[in-house]
Amino acid sequence: QVQLQQSGPGLVQPSQTLSLTCAISGDSVSTNSAAWNWIRQSPSRGLEWLGRTYYRSKWYKEYAESVRSRININPDTSRNQFSLQVNSVTPEDTAMYYCARDEGGLDFWGQGTLVTVSS
Amino acid sequence: DIQMTQSPSSLSASIGDRVTITCQASQDISNYLNWYQQKPGKAPKLLISGASNLETGVPSRFSGSGSETAFTFTINSLQPEDIATYYCQHFYNLPYTFGQGTKLEI
Repeated sequence: QVQLQQSGPGLVQPSQTLSLTCAISGDSVSTNSAAWNWIRQSPSRGLEWLGRTYYRSKWYKEYAESVRSRININPDTSRNQFSLQVNSVTPEDTAMYYCARDEGGLDFWGQGTLVTVSS
Repeated sequence: DIQMTQSPSSLSASIGDRVTITCQASQDISNYLNWYQQKPGKAPKLLISGASNLETGVPSRFSGSGSETAFTFTINSLQPEDIATYYCQHFYNLPYTFGQGTKLEI
């Protein structure tokens, strides 16, 4: 059974960097059959796909245009996890953040991390 | 970006009712459409992939149909544990986008 365990701070100051990690068990971040995604959810924006990373003989990273200039999603093969960084955050980045596996559908999700951007 | 429009945004039903939710895509997405259930405080759960394929372990009272731009999600004989918010999501191209959700209440 695949499990995704999220970690990271719940409070980030404006203009700083939001950093979250998603540890994978029951699958490999290097698998050729899945992609590893970050999604956020807020009352104002609903469910918003942020980006993904996946391995198909080499690593790929794809991001939503709305955050492309501020986001990085990185795989960590040594720890079998992947991470999210969002730079220069504002209060509009306040949301519940989820990691999720995509294998034809977002079939396994992390537990979610509520990130509040506030001083 | 492809826009996904769900209706209704909320729905009141009784136990045993048949419930139908629709999702309209702003362009042809073939059958690249998933349905999720989200309960308060929980992550979304994938119920149906590829418009009509029931995920393993999901009760058969849930079903999905449609193609191109028009999709339907149905719960036959609503059960108390089905009270949740339901979302459609396309995976035709990037960025994936979700409908705004349908909140199902008793």
